[in-house]
Amino acid sequence: EDKVVQSPLSLVVHEGDTVTLNCSYEVTNFRSLLWYKQEKKAPTFLFMLTSSGIEKKSGRLSSILDKKELFSILNITATQTGDSAVYLCAVENEGTYKYIFGTGTRLKVLA
Amino acid sequence: EAGVAQSPRYKIIEKRQSVAFWCNPISGHATLYWYQQILGQGPKLLIQFQNNGVVDDSQLPKDRFSAERLKGVDSTLKIQPAKLEDSAVYLCASSLEGLSTGELFFGEGSRLTVL
Repeated sequence: EDKVVQSPLSLVVHEGDTVTLNCSYEVTNFRSLLWYKQEKKAPTFLFMLTSSGIEKKSGRLSSILDKKELFSILNITATQTGDSAVYLCAVENEGTYKYIFGTGTRLKVLA
Repeated sequence: EAGVAQSPRYKIIEKRQSVAFWCNPISGHATLYWYQQILGQGPKLLIQFQNNGVVDDSQLPKDRFSAERLKGVDSTLKIQPAKLEDSAVYLCASSLEGLSTGELFFGEGSRLTVL
């Protein structure tokens, strides 16, 4: 059965700290791994990582994919209170366009 | 470009009543998903459509949940009769099949409370 596991489940840091969120997966026919940020509403897209794009960066956020060890990390540097959210990892199954989500990591950044 | 539209945004019902949620995906998106997100958990796929055909409904509780996507555009998710454990946010998402970004576009969700 396809599975996505995220850790830690929750995290509390202070502004300016750097955080690393983890996502490990087991899926047949891996196609891509996606990171989403979810505040009080719908998830918003952050990154997609595939075999041809195993490292992405946007501002203070960056992510890498290790296809051999079947995991990804999301790094946030110089955290701000606006980074407080649930971060979701999802893995796409090739051929079916099916996305399996992890339980998410709840990040709280204190001022 | 208009996003994924969902309604109603909030619904409160008593157990054993019925409820229906509506979703209008982004124009041209062939694939439509319904996810159930219980508080504190990640989204769980209920059903996936490609055009008007069902691709995956393996986790849809078919004794009480049903969904349809007439004409391959709008979709409706129905729960009848509702149980307390159905309290959740029901997220609709769509994607453009074959697009290199592979991104899912989510609606705002429909929050269901079953009393």
